[in-house]
Amino acid sequence: SQKIEQNSEALNIQEGKTATLTCNYTNYSPAYLQWYRQDPGRGPVFLLLIRENEKEKRKERLKVTFDTTLKQSLFHITASQPADSATYLCALAAGGFKTIFGAGTRLFVKA
Amino acid sequence: EAQVTQNPRYLITVTGKKLTVTCSQNMNHEYMSWYRQDPGLGLRQIYYSMNVEVTDKGDVPEGYKVSRKEKRNFPLILESPSPNQTSLYFCASSSIDLAGVLDTQYFGPGTRLTVL
Repeated sequence: SQKIEQNSEALNIQEGKTATLTCNYTNYSPAYLQWYRQDPGRGPVFLLLIRENEKEKRKERLKVTFDTTLKQSLFHITASQPADSATYLCALAAGGFKTIFGAGTRLFVKA
Repeated sequence: EAQVTQNPRYLITVTGKKLTVTCSQNMNHEYMSWYRQDPGLGLRQIYYSMNVEVTDKGDVPEGYKVSRKEKRNFPLILESPSPNQTSLYFCASSSIDLAGVLDTQYFGPGTRLTVL
C-alpha cells in the first residue's frame, strides 16, 4: 500500500543542537515534497518545498534534503531553540493535485 | 491580510443532522482542499478543487460533499453526520504555478466537530 512515514516517537533535543526529522515514503514518485509546522490547536504553516530534481533546499536555520532513490526526505533545524518546539509534518504530491501528509513528528527543544 | 477562514470553529451536533462547514479565502487561489486530522493518523485529504466547478476526491471522501461555485468559497457538507466523522477539520488554499505544481498551502484555523 502507499505510505508516508515520519518518526512516530517524539524527538527531544537540547537547545543549540541540530534536530533531524525523517520522512519516508513508499509507492509514490512525488514531483515535490513539502514540510509544515503545526502548533497545538492551530493549522499547519508551510515551511519549505523541495522538488524532485533538487537535492537540498535551505531557508535560514532550516534545511531539507530529498533523496528520490531512498524515497526519503530529511528536515534539519540547526541551532534549535525552545520556540522550535512543535509538530512537523511532511507532505507529498501523490499524483494530480492530491496531497498526502505524514502523521507528523513532535519536536521538543529543551532550554 | 491573506487568510483562510472557516466557520464554525466548534460544532457539536447529533447523528443524521445535516451540516455545512464554510471555508473562504481572500488570495484568489485556484486550489482549495479539505482535510480531517485525527490523533495518530495525521491529516487526511477529503476533497480538493482545482478551480470553480472542478472538484475531486481525496483519500477519505465517503460521507462528505463539496461544491465550488465561487473561487473564494469551498464549503464542506455532511449530509448525514455519524460519530466517526468527529474530527478536526482544516480547509486549505493554494495557487498553482505554471508547471502545475501547488504552491504554499495556506490553512484555516480548523473546525472541531463532535457528532453525538
